Amino acid sequence: GAVVSQHPSWVICKSGTSVKIECRSLDFQATTMFWYRQFPKQSLMLMATSNEGSKATYEQGVEKDKFLINHASLTLSTLTVTSAHPEDSSFYICSATSQHREQYFGPGTRLTVT
Amino acid sequence: AQKITQTQPGMFVQEKEAVTLDCTYDTSDQSYGLFWYKQPSSGEMIFLIYQGSYDEQNATEGRYSLNFQKARKSANLVISASQLGDSAMYFCAMREDNQGGKLIFGQGTELSVKP
Repeated sequence: GAVVSQHPSWVICKSGTSVKIECRSLDFQATTMFWYRQFPKQSLMLMATSNEGSKATYEQGVEKDKFLINHASLTLSTLTVTSAHPEDSSFYICSATSQHREQYFGPGTRLTVT
Repeated sequence: AQKITQTQPGMFVQEKEAVTLDCTYDTSDQSYGLFWYKQPSSGEMIFLIYQGSYDEQNATEGRYSLNFQKARKSANLVISASQLGDSAMYFCAMREDNQGGKLIFGQGTELSVKP
């Protein structure tokens, strides 16, 4: 099956710094990528929809200026958590949709803000 | 209103027995898809099974089957012959075809398989 990678798989950063998470589709071109956030023992909450070459569409309640999404190519989307705070500590998962509308998930990135 | 509801936060099943995980959904769209994912403690999302709203037959994939009752808006997952490796979180999700492909997830059910 298709492969989606995320980098890094885990990251620890200090409060106030910014962190960039990459999501890559390795063997297919992703027309759309999605970013989800998951707190422990909770469900995945969609943060934003990312289309190559256009601005991301954010879900209600998600701060655009805090969670910057850039979809630079058909195989790469990045999520930057700016001025991170401890409450931003979470599991961030991306998914990528192929031209056949199949959706593939990345392995996730665990962010801890100290 | 919740679009996807999973009412069982946790379930226990004996090894080799079957278990049903409940999922109900809410949509006014005619064209949609329903998915089940397994999430082990590693965090990866593993696709299990898919049912389209126009599919007349219930989907099956190996030990997984989806009991699709469209009129009741339910899409329960049945796992037959449970194995210890089935212990994980299970999420039901819906994709409404006019919403750009995004998935809306239920709250999840934590399944524990007992030896």
